[in-house]
Parts: sequence; C-alpha cells; structure tokens
Amino acid sequence: GENVEQHPSTLSVQEGDSAVIKCTYSDSASNYFPWYKQELGKRPQLIIDIRSNVGEKKDQRIAVTLNKTAKHFSLHITETQPEDSAVYFCAATRGGGADGLTFGKGTHLIIQP
Amino acid sequence: SAVISQKPSRDICQRGTSLTIQCQVDSQVTMMFWYRQQPGQSLTLIATANQGSEATYESGFVIDKFPISRPNLTFSTLTVSNMSPEDSSIYLCSVYGGSGDTQYFGPGTRLTVL
Repeated sequence: GENVEQHPSTLSVQEGDSAVIKCTYSDSASNYFPWYKQELGKRPQLIIDIRSNVGEKKDQRIAVTLNKTAKHFSLHITETQPEDSAVYFCAATRGGGADGLTFGKGTHLIIQP
Repeated sequence: SAVISQKPSRDICQRGTSLTIQCQVDSQVTMMFWYRQQPGQSLTLIATANQGSEATYESGFVIDKFPISRPNLTFSTLTVSNMSPEDSSIYLCSVYGGSGDTQYFGPGTRLTVL
C-alpha cells in the first residue's frame, strides 16, 4: 500500500517569512495529493491540492509543487501570518481523490510574532 | 462544499460497550470514508463505506470491531464495538463527489473509553 513521509514534524518561522513542508510517497500509481490544515479541536480543512498531470499550483500565498519522478511534493506558504499556525497534513491516493487517503504524520507550523 | 454533520460530537463510554457514530451529508455523495485520529496523531483510514454493500476495510481494521453501514447516498454509520481505552480517538467521516472532486471532512466524534 501507499506510504507517505512528511518533514519536518515541527517548523517554527518568523512572521512574514516563508515555510516549506515536504512529503514523499511510495506508490507510483498515486495521482492526487491534497494538503489539509487542522487547527486545534477542529476538523481538517483542505487548503490546496494537486493532481499528477500538473507540476505546480498556486492559490494566493499557498503553492504546491509535485515531482512525479522523485515521488515528492511540497507545500509552500509565503508571507506567513499568525493565523497560519496549525498542523498541516499531506496525503496521497489513487483514483483522483475518490479513494481513501493515506496521510503523512503532520507538521506543526508555529509562526513567531 | 457539502455540509457534513456527525453525531454524537463527543462521548465517554465504559469499556466493553459499543457506540454508533452517525455521519449525515446534506447532498448525495459518491463516496464516504471513515478515519481515526488518535490523540496528537495523524489520520488513518478505517474503511470505505459502500452504498448497499459491505464496507471495504483497511489492513488492521475488521468488520467485527468496526461495523459500517451506508444505506443511502447521504448517510453512514460506524460502530465501535467492545470498546477498550485504546479506542479513545477522534473518528471522522469524509465525503467525496458531492461538490468538487476532493474529500471533505465532518467535524469528528471525540470518543473517550474508560
């Protein structure tokens, strides 16, 4: 089955700086890679996703890149703000999102004021 | 996106008992899934709830422990049977195919087993 590794487990950055979280996956048939943000006591919220037919996707301050050859994908957050503080999870699956997700272990992002 | 609700939102149960968690969506969806999130951990897929047929379980999860029903395209239940303290977790349902082609999560059910 799929295995997703996520690094780092904790990331502390100064407000206004950029943050990068990296994930690798093992199943070459995986074709859908979402990122979820989870604040304490709340449900995971989708913040961005990417499919295997594109290499990069941006949404305002958030971007995701995908390298299918190396089987890794990354989340980039620019101009970080205090409200970006949360746990971020990457995930991977086949079936374009219609299959169950395999999650990484999560990254606790701390934005220092 | 679809509006997803879960009942109960939290519960405290005694070991050896069972609890049924409900997941309701405000529109028809193609797929429904159940995940477990142990305290401070990531999410783990328990099973895919198939409408009108038996659920598809992931390795490490069995039907006798986690029976699942999905009688229609907007509703599913997960039962946690013969509970032990190790079952203390947040249980989340997710849905796919209602609006958009991605998975959205319900608010979760926080279960504590004493």
